Amino acid sequence: DAGVIQSPRHEVTEMGQEVTLRCKPISGHNSLFWYRQTMMRGLELLIYFNNNVPIDDSGMPEDRFSAKMPNASFSTLKIQPSEPRDSAVYFCASSFTGGSRETQYFGPGTRLLVL
Amino acid sequence: AQSVTQLDSQVPVFEEAPVELRCNYSSSVSVYLFWYVQYPNQGLQLLLKYLSGSTLVKGINGFEAEFNKSQTSFHLRKPSVHISDTAEYFCAVSLIQGAQKLVFGQGTRLTINP
Repeated sequence: DAGVIQSPRHEVTEMGQEVTLRCKPISGHNSLFWYRQTMMRGLELLIYFNNNVPIDDSGMPEDRFSAKMPNASFSTLKIQPSEPRDSAVYFCASSFTGGSRETQYFGPGTRLLVL
Repeated sequence: AQSVTQLDSQVPVFEEAPVELRCNYSSSVSVYLFWYVQYPNQGLQLLLKYLSGSTLVKGINGFEAEFNKSQTSFHLRKPSVHISDTAEYFCAVSLIQGAQKLVFGQGTRLTINP
């Protein structure tokens, strides 16, 4: 299996621009998570989906952030407009949620720099 | 709400020495416990997890951790470290019932010196 795939791996953009991060979960997994990692706040959950439905988006910082999962094999995290404080590494993770807590498998991350 | 405290932000150790990375958690309900490792410029990889049963859990790369419910701790240990163990280590919890999101500690940077 190819694991969780994220693109792009690196993104440099200017303040005010729209940024779209993409994630392809592991085939067969039914839960998908978006995390953000910064020096100040560490690793924090932004949103997670179960069976393509957003379950908990309480970690989404503000209305500039939005996430979609149109099908079981693709999700996007969009920032519009972007700001310098959005600079971080964004991770996507997926898992199969059955009768017990399953392991979350993380992608390599997208390193975002907003100038 | 759940929280995780990793007591050491950095741990320097000589090669082949033992190491313990400390993790304490706070939760009013039962949780599952995890240790993840992050190598430079990579994503997180699961080292081990405690779901139930034996409180001593063995993971990959020779790591093990012991769940102590009374002390709400889940410390990670390795009897002899290698240069390749240099990485950042994260302790995390998730609820047994309800939301399955992971709550992470701030991480411990393990540096192995030759």
